[in-house]
Amino acid sequence: AQSVTQLGSHVSVSEGALVLLRCNYSSSVPPYLFWYVQYPNQGLQLLLKYTSAATLVKGINGFEAEFKKSETSFHLTKPSAHMSDAAEYFCARGSSASKIIFGSGTRLSIRP
Amino acid sequence: GAVVSQHPSWVICKSGTSVKIECRSLDFQATTMFWYRQFPKQSLMLMATSNEGSKATYEQGVEKDKFLINHASLTLSTLTVTSAHPEDSSFYICSASPGTEPYEQYFGPGTRLTVT
Repeated sequence: AQSVTQLGSHVSVSEGALVLLRCNYSSSVPPYLFWYVQYPNQGLQLLLKYTSAATLVKGINGFEAEFKKSETSFHLTKPSAHMSDAAEYFCARGSSASKIIFGSGTRLSIRP
Repeated sequence: GAVVSQHPSWVICKSGTSVKIECRSLDFQATTMFWYRQFPKQSLMLMATSNEGSKATYEQGVEKDKFLINHASLTLSTLTVTSAHPEDSSFYICSASPGTEPYEQYFGPGTRLTVT
């Protein structure tokens, strides 16, 4: 089945450190890929999306992700973590009939 | 722009009763709305897809008679959990799509349902 796999259910980094959240997709054809952020008890907000226009995608709040076909990866990065980045992050892919399939999520904690 | 609201944000109901959750697109018309369910510390699971004026399409394993979805207008969809039981307690999130771009979905803030 076509899916996305997020490695690491919980990632903790120090404030100011690099943030790296991992996502791998399974597909023979490069899909639409997304990263969403969810703050506690809230809905999801789109951080960025890959639509095959460019392999390096820049999103909101300083996040970016690079599509690597050879590695079937779409990892999310941010050069310097901020306390406000603490949240749940979901990698997702487009599926049939405009559906979005979400990964299991990675909780990002920021240490002062 | 592209704001989606849900009401209520939190509801407690007794086992056996029904509860209705509303999802509204406030500043755009939504040709398609999606309903998701999220258990604590888990991912979002798509329950159903609804298009305005037509019956919802339910994902495999979702009881359509238990989770009634109505998409009566281009700005409103409702999810009714009928004869709720404690195992229905969850966080329900809707999203709305204007249909202008592939996979363009705007998410509501969610509704936390607790069935006692």
